[in-house]
Amino acid sequence: QSVLTQPPSASGAPGQRVTISCSGSYSNIGSHYVHWYQQLPGTAPKLLIYSNNQRPSGVPDRFSGSKSGTSASLAISGLRSEDEADYYCAAWDDSLKGVFGGGTKLTVL
Amino acid sequence: QVQLQESGPGLVKPSQTLSLTCTVSGGSISSGSYYWSWIRQHPGKGLEWIGYISYSGSPYYNPSLQSRVTISVDTSKNQLSLKLISVTAADTAVYYCAREFGGGYGYWGQGTLVTVSS
Repeated sequence: QSVLTQPPSASGAPGQRVTISCSGSYSNIGSHYVHWYQQLPGTAPKLLIYSNNQRPSGVPDRFSGSKSGTSASLAISGLRSEDEADYYCAAWDDSLKGVFGGGTKLTVL
Repeated sequence: QVQLQESGPGLVKPSQTLSLTCTVSGGSISSGSYYWSWIRQHPGKGLEWIGYISYSGSPYYNPSLQSRVTISVDTSKNQLSLKLISVTAADTAVYYCAREFGGGYGYWGQGTLVTVSS
């Protein structure tokens, strides 16, 4: 059971906008930054969004992050086939550990 | 560009010690105020934070693994290491080393699969 809760799956057609939610508590999302990772099959995760809504260099602006209270969201606009991957949210928790969501498998229809 | 590469045995017997090394290139492991982490992923499952060592050399561990794990840095070799004692089949996973970026894990190794089996 993951500390952060994500829907197990999400889907959308090419060109559409998809959002993936991440729910936590005051001790993690409510008090700390949220980060998002994209994991393509057979590869290491890649940092997509850091500090709630910042994109590392090279990440397209089709990807955006937001946070409100104890929840966060990742939005992907202009969906492309290459966006098909697993997405994970992460945060620090006051129990002195890093925590992840269980992951959301995104399917591009 | 910082690059990380994990290495170590792919097969460990139950009750023995899992030892992995992460070699850092493209930058010094002791420069900058970065945190160096180990993260694992059980087959077909999500990510689990194992722990990190801070730029000051202080380690922090997942409470669920704290009694069995040690993370250290060898600055002379520019390496990060992970030791996990008394392993069981539940420790079978892909193990990643990662460096902080903006608070998240911005640089990752390619991961190494460790199987615990007799």
